[in-house]
Amino acid sequence: DSGVTQTPKHLITATGQRVTLRCSPRSGDLSVYWYQQSLDQGLQFLIQYYNGEERAKGNILERFSAQQFPDLHSELNLSSLELGDSALYFCASSVRQGGTEAFFGQGTRLTVV
Amino acid sequence: GESVGLHLPTLSVQEGDNSIINCAYSNSASDYFIWYKQESGKGPQFIIDIRSNMDKRQGQRVTVLLNKTVKHLSLQIAATQPGDSAVYFCAENSGTSGTYKYIFGTGTRLKVLA
Repeated sequence: DSGVTQTPKHLITATGQRVTLRCSPRSGDLSVYWYQQSLDQGLQFLIQYYNGEERAKGNILERFSAQQFPDLHSELNLSSLELGDSALYFCASSVRQGGTEAFFGQGTRLTVV
Repeated sequence: GESVGLHLPTLSVQEGDNSIINCAYSNSASDYFIWYKQESGKGPQFIIDIRSNMDKRQGQRVTVLLNKTVKHLSLQIAATQPGDSAVYFCAENSGTSGTYKYIFGTGTRLKVLA
């Protein structure tokens, strides 16, 4: 158990809908990262937050947004969902912004039908 | 652009043999590297890391080698076991102006043959 908690584990929704994925980082970790993993693909970096502030962005679609709350948990919002958004979404946390290992949650499997 | 790639998408090794998984990275400014193991249906699990001021680091049954000259990283697993079967990712930690991100390669699937 990495200490990073993601909910829900599975999510099935229809095209055009909006969903929210939640991540609770390890106790004491200030930095949260979101990644998307499509079938048999690598992990694509979406966005990073540190202590409530957005710090780095990857190839995140405009339909996607995220935030980190004062209690350090983070949410990833996906809207106007398309079939191609079906993927595993991982959250990771680390104590600092870089130079240290990031611990991953078990992921949320999103299926858009 | 930023990229971390792997030479071999699938590696099959006999149980008990040593495994070597390779990775090339593109950002010469990256100063920290991690190897992750991902089993089916699970999140990536940290294996070992190395900083750019080192060229070798050893863990339990694993060794990571870093060659900054050719921007190459490798993971060596000694006496490979069935439980080592998984997808292995290398990741580089790069950032500028206080922003950092971990860039992952596409992964190598390691199959351990009994």
